[in-house]
Amino acid sequence: DIQMTQSPSSLSASVGDRVTITCRASQTINNYLNWYQQKPGKAPKLLIYSTSSLQSGVPSRFSGSGSGTDFTLTISSLQPEDFATYYCQQSDSIAWRFGQGTKVEIK
Amino acid sequence: EVQLVESGGGLVQPGGSLRLSCAASGFTFSTYWMGWVRQAPGKGLEWVANIKKDGSDKQFVDSVKGRFTVSRDNTKNSLYLQMNSLRAEDTAVYYCARHGTWSFNYWGQGALVTVSS
Repeated sequence: DIQMTQSPSSLSASVGDRVTITCRASQTINNYLNWYQQKPGKAPKLLIYSTSSLQSGVPSRFSGSGSGTDFTLTISSLQPEDFATYYCQQSDSIAWRFGQGTKVEIK
Repeated sequence: EVQLVESGGGLVQPGGSLRLSCAASGFTFSTYWMGWVRQAPGKGLEWVANIKKDGSDKQFVDSVKGRFTVSRDNTKNSLYLQMNSLRAEDTAVYYCARHGTWSFNYWGQGALVTVSS
């Protein structure tokens, strides 16, 4: 199975900050890497698919990049509604797997 | 509007069985792969299963193989998760989700399954 490791596990940031979350796969995953946002008590929401494609309706301050085993989610200017937990997920192998999550909190 | 509505959650004793249903609407159900994802209380997301458009291919996380089955009825626009031999560690909110481009682009609101004596 391909393991996914996110860093950091949590971070504190202020409104307007640039935030970067990293996801590392245990082997090359051919850009089949997605990012989700989850707020407490809610279902996850797809933000980015296939490494860098922005899901319809998602603000352009969210972007994704990377290749091979190392991938990044960037929020260019953090907004109050962005405080949430973010998960990466690989779909390169049959056994889809999520990272452990990164909680973005208010500083 | 795409809607996914799970039902069938509840409290079950260890070793028991439960079947979750997911009613889909707002899209042509038979043309999409579907999946199940779960989240234990206070924990992260865990992919559970995927099923092909016609039900001919099914994939499971190792921890549920041999205990869970996934099926669908395209005439009823419904997805199912049959869970047998349930364990305490299966306690979670179970989400039904529709596939997008190698991703889950629509999710239900979730159904809570609690395995406890």
